[in-house]
Amino acid sequence: EPEVTQTPSHQVTQMGQEVILRCVPISNHLYFYWYRQILGQKVEFLVSFYNNEISEKSEIFDDQFSVERPDGSNFTLKIRSTKLEDSAMYFCAGTGEGGSPLHFGNGTRLTVT
Amino acid sequence: AQSVTQLGSHVSVSEGALVLLRCNYSSSVPPYLFWYVQYPNQGLQLLLKYTSAATLVKGINGFEAEFKKSETSFHLTKPSAHMSDAAEYFCAVSDTGGFKTIFGAGTRLFVKA
Repeated sequence: EPEVTQTPSHQVTQMGQEVILRCVPISNHLYFYWYRQILGQKVEFLVSFYNNEISEKSEIFDDQFSVERPDGSNFTLKIRSTKLEDSAMYFCAGTGEGGSPLHFGNGTRLTVT
Repeated sequence: AQSVTQLGSHVSVSEGALVLLRCNYSSSVPPYLFWYVQYPNQGLQLLLKYTSAATLVKGINGFEAEFKKSETSFHLTKPSAHMSDAAEYFCAVSDTGGFKTIFGAGTRLFVKA
């Protein structure tokens, strides 16, 4: 069964540095998402991406964040200048149809020191 | 705006006992509703989904959920808990456009031998 692949599985970075989290969605998916889960807390919606543009974003997704699908396969989340509070598990997800269940990757654990 | 409330951050049952995890939703349009399960260090996996075809939905691993519009509820049940059911469970609601799926805060299920 096709899988959503996220790399790296764990990223440690210093405060103020830029990080790029990478995801390879399932090939026939059209809708892509990033979610964040701070340790022990809820899964929070960050952004959805459809037809090569952002469809919706949350208040968390401020100017420090950006998403790209540069080559039609990879889907990336960039955090321009990381803060301590950005430490969390970041999940990429996708689906082929609006309203359908999401297929999640195993996440990237981001630790900002 | 859509929202999801899961009653009880922790539920503990004995092996073989009934599992009941509660979820109430708020949506201005007929929603798509989902239950996901998360095992440690993994992404979320779909347990079951409601998309208006039938009010009682059967999922994987013996779980089922009943959609009750009058109560705006979508509680998850399993007749007999197994040790392997110990995990975090998330209720989620999506709009029909599919641009945003919102998750509840999650309920951690403990199963005692």
